[in-house]
Amino acid sequence: DQQVKQNSPSLSVQEGRISILNCDYTNSMFDYFLWYKKYPAEGPTFLISISSIKDKNEDGRFTVFLNKSAKHLSLHIVPSQPGDSAVYFCAARGGTSYGKLTFGQGTILTVHP
Amino acid sequence: GAGVSQSPRYKVAKRGQDVALRCDPISGHVSLFWYQQALGQGPEFLTYFQNEAQLDKSGLPSDRFFAERPEGSVSTLKIQRTQQEDSAVYLCASSSGRRGYEQYFGPGTRLTVT
Repeated sequence: DQQVKQNSPSLSVQEGRISILNCDYTNSMFDYFLWYKKYPAEGPTFLISISSIKDKNEDGRFTVFLNKSAKHLSLHIVPSQPGDSAVYFCAARGGTSYGKLTFGQGTILTVHP
Repeated sequence: GAGVSQSPRYKVAKRGQDVALRCDPISGHVSLFWYQQALGQGPEFLTYFQNEAQLDKSGLPSDRFFAERPEGSVSTLKIQRTQQEDSAVYLCASSSGRRGYEQYFGPGTRLTVT
């Protein structure tokens, strides 16, 4: 039972353009949503989060949007840079276990110069 | 300050051997989590500590997996009688009490069982 899904395994974007990464979830008990970025041979790095009571959170080039009625969130990166090339995971906290994060499968973002 | 550290970074074990993976969380972080990440997948929750108390071990795949955090700081994940399906990256994360939903990850230990 995959409670958090990232349906696009990969995304390719030109430098300077917008990258939009999507994530869908099924459990309405999730209370926080997070995005992580991962480079090869490193652990995931926290990027940005959003509470379930908000619909938008912005931090520099990164903005996360939450649509609770659609159980959908997205991460926008503007402008995209080659250094943004990595695997991006969305994660959700809550549900049956308060502490744990439930992760999606990840989306590989490639930003071309 | 220093981030989460894990050791060893790589471990090769023969099937049937026991292994112990160590995690040093960020100083002062009360919560500590272990995740298992298979190739091409997202991390999957194994277990969670608040200080020395193990509050959730629902993700441990079998009774061969055991985790401890006796003094509320360093944690060890032990896998007994390793099997090939245990091959994965084992990630440790910690979080503070205030913004407990933000978990900070270590680099992981890549375990290969041959």
